[in-house]
Amino acid sequence: EADIYQTPRYLVIGTGKKITLECSQTMGHDKMYWYQQDPGMELHLIHYSYGVNSTEKGDLSSESTVSRIRTEHFPLTLESARPSHTSQYLCASSESTPNYGYTFGSGTRLTVV
Amino acid sequence: GDSVTQMEGPVTLSEEAFLTINCTYTATGYPSLFWYVQYPGEGLQLLLKATKADDKGSNKGFEATYRKETTSFHLEKGSVQVSDSAVYFCALSDRNYGQNFVFGPGTRLSVLP
Repeated sequence: EADIYQTPRYLVIGTGKKITLECSQTMGHDKMYWYQQDPGMELHLIHYSYGVNSTEKGDLSSESTVSRIRTEHFPLTLESARPSHTSQYLCASSESTPNYGYTFGSGTRLTVV
Repeated sequence: GDSVTQMEGPVTLSEEAFLTINCTYTATGYPSLFWYVQYPGEGLQLLLKATKADDKGSNKGFEATYRKETTSFHLEKGSVQVSDSAVYFCALSDRNYGQNFVFGPGTRLSVLP
């Protein structure tokens, strides 16, 4: 049973719309991450957070923004969606020590038309 | 910086064939090593892990041994099934590298009946 939840699973939206992808986890993990991935391809880290009120940009430049007001919640927002944002977005969380691995959500498949 | 290299895919095998997916890494510290699997349309799932040299991780018939002398963590399975068709990601977590994961590019496996 998944302990990290992403909604929506699929989203088709028009260019210029503002969207928020939701990610919540019930494990009490301090660390959370957003990855962008073309299906089955390489993962690109776009944002991460080490705790409440802590957010950092990842390796891949992204026009999205994130917030971390509560430990369990790490939403990602696109102010103005473009076709180049079409991709899969994966949320993950982890404990503070590196030995336990990441837990991933099922992903949001975004299509901007 | 830290990096993970995997054999290029796609890998196509017949059912009951032996599987090896090579993974080598470069790390400045003492990494933990992981294999993740991604089934079509899903997020990544932890398959197995090893946290120190000579450890063997195993799960669902898959095995990988942490080889510090060759900086490798090759994934093996003695007899693959059609249901093993997926993308496999090798990853490391280095406590001396900000503790974010470094993922390999993924290897797509297709198993034919």
